[in-house]
Amino acid sequence: ETGVTQTPRHLVMGMTNKKSLKCEQHLGHNAMYWYKQSAKKPLELMFVYNFKEQTENNSVPSRFSPECPNSSHLFLHLHTLQPEDSALYLCASSQDIGPAGAKNIQYFGAGTRLSVL
Amino acid sequence: SQQGEEDPQALSIQEGENATMNCSYKTSINNLQWYRQNSGRGLVHLILIRSNEREKHSGRLRVTLDTSKKSSSLLITASRAADTASYFCATVVAGKSTFGDGTTLTVKP
Repeated sequence: ETGVTQTPRHLVMGMTNKKSLKCEQHLGHNAMYWYKQSAKKPLELMFVYNFKEQTENNSVPSRFSPECPNSSHLFLHLHTLQPEDSALYLCASSQDIGPAGAKNIQYFGAGTRLSVL
Repeated sequence: SQQGEEDPQALSIQEGENATMNCSYKTSINNLQWYRQNSGRGLVHLILIRSNEREKHSGRLRVTLDTSKKSSSLLITASRAADTASYFCATVVAGKSTFGDGTTLTVKP
């Protein structure tokens, strides 16, 4: 148990559906991340939040909409997705964002396996 | 382009053998981290090595860092079937972590 919980673990949705992925961390961390992991592709950073403020958006399509109501919770709202969006979506948290070593160690959830039909 | 690149992409060994994975990167870093991922699960942090360190140990893991060659290696000694997983290096620059493509290790019993 890493202290980062993602729900649901599996999600199947149609291209016209709206769904949300949830991430919760119990580590007292200030930074949270969304990653996309597709087969045979490197881990892709999508969004970064630090102290509830978005600090990074890696040119993610607007059909993915993140929300960070507090430092412990992170959501990824999904709408009108495409089949190529099928992937494992990973949430992570770290104590902080900065050059100091141990503070940027990331703790990952188990992921949500998303299938878009 | 990708900051950290691992090689080999895949490695298959017998239980008890040592496994070595390499990571190369392109720019100066603050630190380098190694993570492990079991199939379909999240990544788990293994070890962090700072840019002013050359070697670190943790149990059966040994990590080296050569900043002049911009490369790192992860050695797993006396491998076990349970070590079967993907291993990723992550380079950290100004607080931003960039993950490599990973090495898939299979340890046969």
